[in-house]
Amino acid sequence: GAVVSQHPSWVICKSGTSVKIECRSLDFQATTMFWYRQFPKQSLMLMATSNEGSKATYEQGVEKDKFLINHASLTLSTLTVTSAHPEDSSFYICSARDPRRSYNSPLHFGNGTRLTVT
Amino acid sequence: GNSVTQMEGPVTLSEEAFLTINCTYTATGYPSLFWYVQYPGEGLQLLLKATKADDKGSNKGFEATYRKETTSFHLEKGSVQVSDSAVYFCALRPNAGNMLTFGGGTRLMVKP
Repeated sequence: GAVVSQHPSWVICKSGTSVKIECRSLDFQATTMFWYRQFPKQSLMLMATSNEGSKATYEQGVEKDKFLINHASLTLSTLTVTSAHPEDSSFYICSARDPRRSYNSPLHFGNGTRLTVT
Repeated sequence: GNSVTQMEGPVTLSEEAFLTINCTYTATGYPSLFWYVQYPGEGLQLLLKATKADDKGSNKGFEATYRKETTSFHLEKGSVQVSDSAVYFCALRPNAGNMLTFGGGTRLMVKP
C-alpha cells in the first residue's frame, strides 16, 4: 500500500487564490521530503527540499515566496501555491525516503496533485 | 553535475513487440539507477532499480542492466502489452544524497 499520501489528488482554483497541498508519510518519519513539479510532456523538476523544523531549500529559479513549504512535523510537509495563476497549473508530486532503509533505497512518491488554475 | 538522458518519445509498438528505451547518465562515482513508471492519471511508481555496476534490475517482465562502462541503464521488455502504455522515467541518485535526477521521460503507447 501507499506509504506516502498526497492530498488533494486534484484541485481547481481561481486565479489569485492560494492552494495548499499536503504530503504525509504514513508509516515512517521523514525528516526530509522533496517537492517536484511536472510540466506537460516534460520531466519532473525538483522544486525544493523540505526539512523538518527548518527552512526549505529551494532550487534555482523557484520562487520561495510563491511556493511556500512547511515541514511542521516528521510526517507532514505542505506546499502552498500562493496567489495562483494559470501558469502555475501543473502536476505536483512529493516524495520521501524511509530513514529506516538503506541510503540507496528508492524514494516513496505520493500520487501527485493536479492543479488547474482558471 | 548529474544528468540523465533518455530517448524521446512517443514510442509506439504493437502488442507483443520487443521494447527498448535507452537511458544514459552522467554522474561522478557510482550512483544508484532507477526506472519509474507513470500510468495515465497516476503518480510515479518505482519499476526497478540497480545499485552497482553489472546489477540487473527486473520487475513485471522489464529488465535493465547497470552498465558502468557505457554509463547506460537501458530498459527492455521482451513482449509488451497494452497495459504497459505509460510514461517511463530513468533516474539516478548519487551515492551520497537523496535527490533524484530524472530523465525527460519516454511515453510508450502499445496498440492491440
